[in-house]
Amino acid sequence: KQEVTQIPAALSVPEGENLVLNCSFTDSAIYNLQWFRQDPGKGLTSLLLIQSSQREQTSGRLNASLDKSSGRSTLYIAASQPGDSATYLCAVGMGNTPLVFGKGTRLSVIA
Amino acid sequence: DAGVIQSPRHEVTEMGQEVTLRCKPISGHNSLFWYRQTMMRGLELLIYFNNNVPIDDSGMPEDRFSAKMPNASFSTLKIQPSEPRDSAVYFCASSPPGQGSYEQYFGPGTRLTVT
Repeated sequence: KQEVTQIPAALSVPEGENLVLNCSFTDSAIYNLQWFRQDPGKGLTSLLLIQSSQREQTSGRLNASLDKSSGRSTLYIAASQPGDSATYLCAVGMGNTPLVFGKGTRLSVIA
Repeated sequence: DAGVIQSPRHEVTEMGQEVTLRCKPISGHNSLFWYRQTMMRGLELLIYFNNNVPIDDSGMPEDRFSAKMPNASFSTLKIQPSEPRDSAVYFCASSPPGQGSYEQYFGPGTRLTVT
């Protein structure tokens, strides 16, 4: 059974700092991996999707990497801003099947 | 495209009442997923459909929960009777067919409170 772990559970950083969020999964036979952002009381916003054949994806200040063989992904946020404060969720997909989610990392960027 | 549409956005009901949550997937998508999010357990799958057919309902907590997808543009999740432990946010997601990315698109969720 696929299990997804996100470390740390919570993170507080000063504005402007670069930071890395970690995600690990137990079964490396994944089809894709998605990173989501969730603001308090809101829904999920898809940030990046990495296919299993890809090593990384970039969108603006965000960069997600995938090392399928070791069962790891990282989300790198450059020059963090208070508006980046949210919970970041990692989810793995095995194809056209349900996603398996981690519990998330709650990020606070302090001005 | 309007994205995945869910209704209602908020529902407050008393224990024992029937609750029906609704979802309209993105047009052209052929897979639909119902997830539940709680503080304790995070996001978990309840049931998913492919081409309107239920594929995996192993996440449905018990017989009080039922889901239907009568056509490609509409799905319901029903709880009868509701209990306080059903309080959670219920998300619907859809994904497109074919050998694509299988990226899932989420609706805004329905926040259910059972008192």
